[in-house]
Amino acid sequence: QKEVEQNSGPLSVPEGAIASLNCTYSDRVSQSFFWYRQYSGKSPELIMSIYSNGDKEDGRFTAQLNKASQYVSLLIRDSQPSDSATYLCAVNGFTGGGNKLTFGTGTQLKVEL
Amino acid sequence: NAGVTQTPKFQVLKTGQSMTLQCAQDMNHNSMYWYRQDPGMGLRLIYYSASEGTTDKGEVPNGYNVSRLNKREFSLRLESAAPSQTSVYFCASSPGQWGTEAFFGQGTRLTVV
Repeated sequence: QKEVEQNSGPLSVPEGAIASLNCTYSDRVSQSFFWYRQYSGKSPELIMSIYSNGDKEDGRFTAQLNKASQYVSLLIRDSQPSDSATYLCAVNGFTGGGNKLTFGTGTQLKVEL
Repeated sequence: NAGVTQTPKFQVLKTGQSMTLQCAQDMNHNSMYWYRQDPGMGLRLIYYSASEGTTDKGEVPNGYNVSRLNKREFSLRLESAAPSQTSVYFCASSPGQWGTEAFFGQGTRLTVV
């Protein structure tokens, strides 16, 4: 089982709709969770971080965390064509040697006009 | 605001050649990382340095070595390049050891022929 799992997609949504991206993780002691956006040919860009159970909202983005279910999600409201990118879920765990950020393989989102 | 700077941006090597990828950050971050990204594989951790003076292996360390030269700089060396090391390499840094988000450089696209 991979440490961080995402559906690779592509996930296609019409402009103005809500896009829902999901991620599960295997390490129960993970404490920090992040969503990165990566445009083709570019580097990952941090868009959301979440540390405690529940929802965290930032503009059109909402991150949701459920540690009991080992599940984290990202909702994008009023999706725009500029949101078309690959979204990477990352989970931070302590390995004994220090901080380690583990990424899922990413979900490709396509927002269609 | 330079952030995380990687050099070079592109490189073509012949099998068996060696090279060093350079990374520097100006954010006074403690932790630094090297990832490789391959199609369908997501970001995989090669090596990381939780703090100045320490380095640890990640998920795919074979064929690589690293040096944490000082707090700012973290280099990745390929001693004898192989075609399997053709990839996009990202350096990243984060403020601390515990549950902090990482910020990425612009990447190095390496081709080994």
